[in-house]
Amino acid sequence: QKEVEQDPGPLSVPEGAIVSLNCTYSNSAFQYFMWYRQYSRKGPELLMYTYSSGNKEDGRFTAQVDKSSKYISLFIRDSQPSDSATYLCAMSAGGTSYGKLTFGQGTILTVHP
Amino acid sequence: DGGITQSPKYLFRKEGQNVTLSCEQNLNHDAMYWYRQDPGQGLRLIYYSQIVNDFQKGDIAEGYSVSREKKESFPLTVTSAQKNPTAFYLCASSRSGISTEAFFGQGTRLTVV
Repeated sequence: QKEVEQDPGPLSVPEGAIVSLNCTYSNSAFQYFMWYRQYSRKGPELLMYTYSSGNKEDGRFTAQVDKSSKYISLFIRDSQPSDSATYLCAMSAGGTSYGKLTFGQGTILTVHP
Repeated sequence: DGGITQSPKYLFRKEGQNVTLSCEQNLNHDAMYWYRQDPGQGLRLIYYSQIVNDFQKGDIAEGYSVSREKKESFPLTVTSAQKNPTAFYLCASSRSGISTEAFFGQGTRLTVV
């Protein structure tokens, strides 16, 4: 079993839809949770960064962390065609493991006009 | 502009050859990382370095080597011992301490011919 599981999709939605992306994990030591967006043939770009449980909002993006369920989510409101990309969840235990990220497989998202 | 520069963008290697991928950052980050990305498998950690002249193996270090002689530079050598080197290679960096946000370069696509 992988430490981090992410539904690879692909996920296709119409413009304006609310998108929900999810990851589950098994390592209870994870404390830092990130979402990256990766366009084709490019490096991942950090979208959201959260520590421990709770919600964080940034514009159209909301990240949720539920450590009791070992479950994290990224919501995209009013999705745009420019949101079409692969979304990667990543997490770290911090401490001496800072920066060592464990990634999900990535979810391919297409937003069509 | 601050950032991480990887070169070359595309690299072709013949069987039995060693090749070196370059990674330079001007973010003044202490920690640097190399990840490998294969389709459907997310990113996997090859090597990481938290400080100059020190580095540790990640999850898939076999067939790779690194050096960290300068804070700004963290080159990766893919040796002939790496059985399946064709992949997308990503370099990242982060600050030391409690921050675990990692920032990525644009990647090098290595193909064995």
